[in-house]
Amino acid sequence: GQQLNQSPQSMFIQEGEDVSMNCTSSSIFNTWLWYKQEPGEGPVLLIALYKAGELTSNGRLTAQFGITRKDSFLNISASIPSDVGIYFCAGKRGSGNTGKLIFGQGTTLQVKP
Amino acid sequence: DVKVTQSSRYLVKRTGEKVFLECVQDMDHENMFWYRQDPGLGLRLIYFSYDVKMKEKGDIPEGYSVSREKKERFSLILESASTNQTSMYLCASSRLASSGANVLTFGAGSRLTVL
Repeated sequence: GQQLNQSPQSMFIQEGEDVSMNCTSSSIFNTWLWYKQEPGEGPVLLIALYKAGELTSNGRLTAQFGITRKDSFLNISASIPSDVGIYFCAGKRGSGNTGKLIFGQGTTLQVKP
Repeated sequence: DVKVTQSSRYLVKRTGEKVFLECVQDMDHENMFWYRQDPGLGLRLIYFSYDVKMKEKGDIPEGYSVSREKKERFSLILESASTNQTSMYLCASSRLASSGANVLTFGAGSRLTVL
């Protein structure tokens, strides 16, 4: 069953504001990924994290792999209208090709111009 | 440059019908996956395949089967559609990974409504 808790479920913010969302698990993961899904499209990879404590940026997006390996955070700075979409975290426990990704429930982000 | 193509974006079927959802990838990826996406539940893995003619059950395989006769094509089959299978279905593919995560490339999705 579902093993990742992603929060918040939804956010409605003003353009220019910063955004934070996170995923937590009772299990340890070896890898964390963050995806964004725009309306009418499939999810697209934003950031991949492979080491505990790793902090990685992609433009205005920054994600961190928690030290405990049970959580991950995604921050978006200075939000713009095109940031609208559903953001998913995903974790992988196994190594190599046998591990499966487990997805969070998603955070729906709406940005008011 | 479309890389994972799901042939049907929207389908409406009746209860009991047999439904085929087709997915084709042009990246020569070994791995292919079928997920369903429901509000509040995220993406849940139905089936996946590491190679031609190979398949493994995901977390919610009941009511579904799959076929992988060619490397580039992975089909999801609903033998007898039911209303609780109304959902968005996402196909994805990835390279065979010796280490690290399977970085998935998703199709645009197929929205199935079962009446």
